[in-house]
Parts: sequence; structure tokens; C-alpha cells
Amino acid sequence: QVQLVESGGDLVKPGGSLRLSCAASGFTFSAFYMSWIRQTPGKGLEYLSYISGTGNDIIYADSVKGRFTISRDNTKNSMYLQMNSLTAADTGVYYCARTARLLDLRGQGTLVTVSS
Amino acid sequence: DVVMTQSPLSLPVTLGQPASISCRSSQSLVYSDGNTHLNWFQQRPGQSPRRLIYMVSNRDSGVPDRFSGSGSGTNFTLKISRVEAEDVGVYYCMQGTHWLFTFGPGTRVDIK
Repeated sequence: QVQLVESGGDLVKPGGSLRLSCAASGFTFSAFYMSWIRQTPGKGLEYLSYISGTGNDIIYADSVKGRFTISRDNTKNSMYLQMNSLTAADTGVYYCARTARLLDLRGQGTLVTVSS
Repeated sequence: DVVMTQSPLSLPVTLGQPASISCRSSQSLVYSDGNTHLNWFQQRPGQSPRRLIYMVSNRDSGVPDRFSGSGSGTNFTLKISRVEAEDVGVYYCMQGTHWLFTFGPGTRVDIK
């Protein structure tokens, strides 16, 4: 069955960086777009970014453009979100999902806390 | 960005009775391929959100058939034919047609 496991969340100081990972199993990873969304106290559910199966189609929300970088390694069935210049507004639970428009959410999320 | 609105924001229901949640978008959600990318999610207390319905009316595997989705264009509805205790939680609609994909604010369903 389809499984997505997020990891890498942590407590980080403002201005700091963090790299989230999403380990996928149960489907042909390279054939699917993948996405990151987050749930924050301030904005609720927020779509952040998606990446195509080959990695050549990537898009970001304005709120993270220039600070976050999405990537994937199809040999490891994994997707990543490199987060730089973090602020308190980035505090929340981050989820990865299979597909983009249909957003097949399966994971438990990983908690990112930005605080001094 | 496309604004998604939901009503009501809070919905107390009686067990065994029907419930209905409305979702409206600020633009038509018909994509260039003819599909309408409107999805519904359920978030039970203390749990992660999970998708219930995709493309307006397609139930995900394992979702009870008491859940149904309908609508077109800018107006959509999630219906629960007979509410059960396990249906308590927050329900979100989400559009995947126009970037930036956006979510509604959520409708909290609880038992009277």
C-alpha cells in the first residue's frame, strides 16, 4: 500500500535551515508528481511546492519562493524540502503528498518549530 | 489566488442525521483538460488530514459510501448521509486547478 513518511522536523532558530525528507513506498515513485504542504496555526493548510516525476517541473508558493528548495531522488524513492531563512511564520506541521492537483495525503507529518 | 470559502464553519449534527458542507471558489475550477480539481479532506482530532474525495465526486478507497461529493464550476458540496461518531473532525475543500492551489478554512463537525 502507498506509504509516505516525513522526517527531519526540529526546533530551529530564526534565520536557520532545515531539510525535510519524505520516504515513499508502495507505488512507482518516479511516475508521480510529489508535493509539500504545511499546516500552521496562522494560515491553516497551505500548499508549498510540487515537483514532477523527472524533477523538471517545479513550482513554489510565493511565501517560500527563494527560501525553500524541493528536490527528489528517484533511486531512493525520496523527496526533500530544503528550508532556509526560516521565520516564526514557518512553524507548523509539514506533509508530503503524492500527486499535485489531486493531493493524495498519507503521512503523519513532521513538526517544524522556529523559535529563539 | 483562488479563494475557497466554506459554510458553515461549524456544524453540530445529531448522530444518524445527514450533514452537508458547502464549498465555493472565487473562479471556476474547470481545468483546461475538462477535469475539475476539487478535493475534500477530513482531519479527525489529533490526526493528519486525509483525502476523502478527489475531482468533485470520486471517493478514495476505504471511504464509507455515506460520504458523497457533488457540484460544478464554483459551487461544491460534501454530504454525509448519516453521521457517525467517527466523522467528527474538520473538513476542508481544496482546489488543484489554478496555481497557487488553495484550501478552504475548514468546517468543524461535531456531535450535538
